[in-house]
Amino acid sequence: AQSVAQPEDQVNVAEGNPLTVKCTYSVSGNPYLFWYVQYPNRGLQFLLKYITGDNLVKGSYGFEAEFNKSQTSFHLKKPSALVSDSALYFCAVRSEGGGSYIPTFGRGTSLIVHP
Amino acid sequence: DARVTQTPRHKVTEMGQEVTMRCQPILGHNTVFWYRQTMMQGLELLAYFRNRAPLDDSGMPKDRFSAEMPDATLATLKIQPSEPRDSAVYFCASGQGLTEAFFGQGTRLTVV
Repeated sequence: AQSVAQPEDQVNVAEGNPLTVKCTYSVSGNPYLFWYVQYPNRGLQFLLKYITGDNLVKGSYGFEAEFNKSQTSFHLKKPSALVSDSALYFCAVRSEGGGSYIPTFGRGTSLIVHP
Repeated sequence: DARVTQTPRHKVTEMGQEVTMRCQPILGHNTVFWYRQTMMQGLELLAYFRNRAPLDDSGMPKDRFSAEMPDATLATLKIQPSEPRDSAVYFCASGQGLTEAFFGQGTRLTVV
């Protein structure tokens, strides 16, 4: 069975500071990893993904994430946070193992960027 | 700009009434998901279709919920009869293979 853990319910950061939102995963087989963002009263929006290749992937709005196979982590990062980055962030994993293709989502991390 | 379209965006209904939520997946996508989001449970998978065939509905209360894909451009989620505990935001998402899923804006359901 595959799983995703987002250990922090909430992350607080000052505007202009770097931010990190943590995600660890468990799958059988090679992982396909995703980050989504959800603004209030909106659906989830795709930010970035890791399928294969470079461990550092870049996505929308200046976000990036680093795949670490040994630590089974895929943390989301941004060098300089904006107040407008305040939202709910979800990590998700899919795997070829089992052939179900169903993504498993974490419970989400609320990012609050203070002016 | 391709997007997943869900209707209605908001629905208020009385307990016991039937509720139907509709989703138009992105053209060419072969997988469709229905999720329910609540504060307590987060995102829960209700149903999963691939090539219009239901492959997983283990997360769905079978006695009152049903999900169908009558054709490639329409997915439906029905609740009959609805109960107050069904109040939530219901999301439809579509995708292709193992790549990212694209979400609709959701249907906010309130059962009173």
